[in-house]
Amino acid sequence: DVKVTQSSRYLVKRTGEKVFLECVQDMDHENMFWYRQDPGLGLRLIYFSYDVKMKEKGDIPEGYSVSREKKERFSLILESASTNQTSMYLCASKAGTASSYEQYFGPGTRLTVT
Amino acid sequence: QQQVKQSPQSLIVQKGGISIINCAYENTAFDYFPWYQQFPGKGPALLIAIRPDVSEKKEGRFTISFNKSAKQFSLHIMDSQPGDSATYFCAASSIFNKFYFGSGTKLNVKP
Repeated sequence: DVKVTQSSRYLVKRTGEKVFLECVQDMDHENMFWYRQDPGLGLRLIYFSYDVKMKEKGDIPEGYSVSREKKERFSLILESASTNQTSMYLCASKAGTASSYEQYFGPGTRLTVT
Repeated sequence: QQQVKQSPQSLIVQKGGISIINCAYENTAFDYFPWYQQFPGKGPALLIAIRPDVSEKKEGRFTISFNKSAKQFSLHIMDSQPGDSATYFCAASSIFNKFYFGSGTKLNVKP
């Protein structure tokens, strides 16, 4: 079974703090993704990575950065947290083969910025 | 521009009834249409998916109907059960590309 784990289930941070969200997958997947989930807006892609040290902006990258130093680990960084970044953050991974479409999601991190 | 539009936003169904959730997409290059189920406190999990070369796919009580010409697809849950109460997301993608998700439907199945 594919397992995607996220470092924290709940986080509370103050405005202006630097925040790190960690994601680890155990299936040797090439592709990893960070989404945020907000009511009525569905899942919106922040960043994705298709290989180590490679990254691509998603639809809402502003205020975020990412790091992928190892294949199994993909980090989302909020350089200076703001209240409008209060949200549920979901990490996902996906194999890089031509026949593999399925994304596997972690349990999510609910971040509150006060 | 919203690539995938999902309706309704919420749905209440009696136990044993049929739940129907609809999605419409814009990009004709999409060739993979999954539905995800998400329970509170959990990440989304793949429920069922379809490729555009078939018009229907059934897995147990869950069926996807796909209309390529209308660029629409829908999820039907037959004999809905209280345990089906969850949020459902449709999505669309093409291989090696991003997923575009609908806004979600919160389903409540009344006992």
